[in-house]
Parts: sequence; structure tokens; C-alpha cells
Amino acid sequence: NAGVTQTPKFRVLKTGQSMTLLCAQDMNHEYMYWYRQDPGMGLRLIHYSVGEGTTAKGEVPDGYNVSRLKKQNFLLGLESAAPSQTSVYFCASSSQRGIYEQYFGPGTRLTVT
Amino acid sequence: AQSVTQLGSHVSVSEGALVLLRCNYSSSVPPYLFWYVQYPNQGLQLLLKYTTGATLVKGINGFEAEFKKSETSFHLTKPSAHMSDAAEYFCAVTVPSSNTGKLIFGQGTTLQVKP
Repeated sequence: NAGVTQTPKFRVLKTGQSMTLLCAQDMNHEYMYWYRQDPGMGLRLIHYSVGEGTTAKGEVPDGYNVSRLKKQNFLLGLESAAPSQTSVYFCASSSQRGIYEQYFGPGTRLTVT
Repeated sequence: AQSVTQLGSHVSVSEGALVLLRCNYSSSVPPYLFWYVQYPNQGLQLLLKYTTGATLVKGINGFEAEFKKSETSFHLTKPSAHMSDAAEYFCAVTVPSSNTGKLIFGQGTTLQVKP
């Protein structure tokens, strides 16, 4: 039982490049979330999903897209990376029964130059 | 709208001393409140939560927090700090009726424990 995994762990992009971050969970959780963590700002919700095939915007969705084609996977895409997207990205998931107990992945550290 | 304010971005205590991390919230409806901990280079882990019922809640690793509606606070305490408690701590709030599980996090407080 791996919990929540994120791929890759580190990435450096040039401005304008695109990439996809993968989040996978093996707990059969319905809910999944993408956050970004920046110093002094805590975690801010980018997008979330309440079930397979559904996505919704969080606090800071601009510049990101997401997809949840399979229940266990939640993809975060950056179409044209900007230096302001340099951050640590965390994925989390929770079950319908324990909706407020979120399980977090180890994070992806992204640098955009 | 909900919001969370954590007073003090850095708190330093000696090993064995009381730990007190402050959290105040703003919510137009009765909230659910949480404390998460983040150890270096790791994701967040739930420490404890308040939903309904008893206002003093106990969590893992000897931490506890008390929900005080009149003060809109949910401060985290531990009677005796251990070196392994050094981490970043986040307070979070949600609106239970939203049924989305969305959390609003505070800015975080880094706890340093000195030997």
C-alpha cells in the first residue's frame, strides 16, 4: 500500500515549456486535490476532483489544467510554464467517509527559469 | 468565506518546554478545524481535528487542541516538547456543508526545538 505517490519528485523547466505532474493513489479514494506550497503562504488549492471524470477550480487555478480520467490518478498540467509557478506541488486524496482527512503525497519541487 | 491566521511564523522552544502554536479562524458558519504537521521534505500528515462534540481534541504524538468559539481560536499545545517535534505546522478550516473536502490552510508555523 503505497498511499499517494507523485511523479516526478523534481523538475526544472524553462519559461514557456509544458509538463504534466502525475498523482496516483491506491486507497480507492473518491476525492483528490492539487495544492501549491510557497514560503509564508501555506498551501493553496489549485484544482480538485470529487470523483472520476469530474474536476473543479480551487483558489489559484490560473495557468493550470487537470484531468481525472481514472479514479486513482489525478494529473496536473502546466501548458506554458512561468517563473511564478516555481513552487512545491502536493497532491492529496480523501475518502467519502473520511472526507476531511486528507492523505498527502511527498511533493514535487518545480523550478521554472 | 473562511480564513485562518496563524500567529507567529516561527516558534522556538527548549526540549521539555510547553509548545503553544496559535490559530485563529474566521467562518460565517460552524467550522471544522484541523492541524496538520509537515516534517522536512515530506507531505502533510493529519495531527488532529475538531468536527463536533468535545471541544478539547487529542491527536497523535501527545498534541491536543481546544476549540474556543468565543475566541474563534484553535490553538495547538503539547506539554513537553521533544526534538522530533521540530516541523512545520498548519492549521486549516473547512465548511462541512460544502461536501467537497476543501481545506483553507493558514500560513504555517515552523517549530524549532532546542536541546
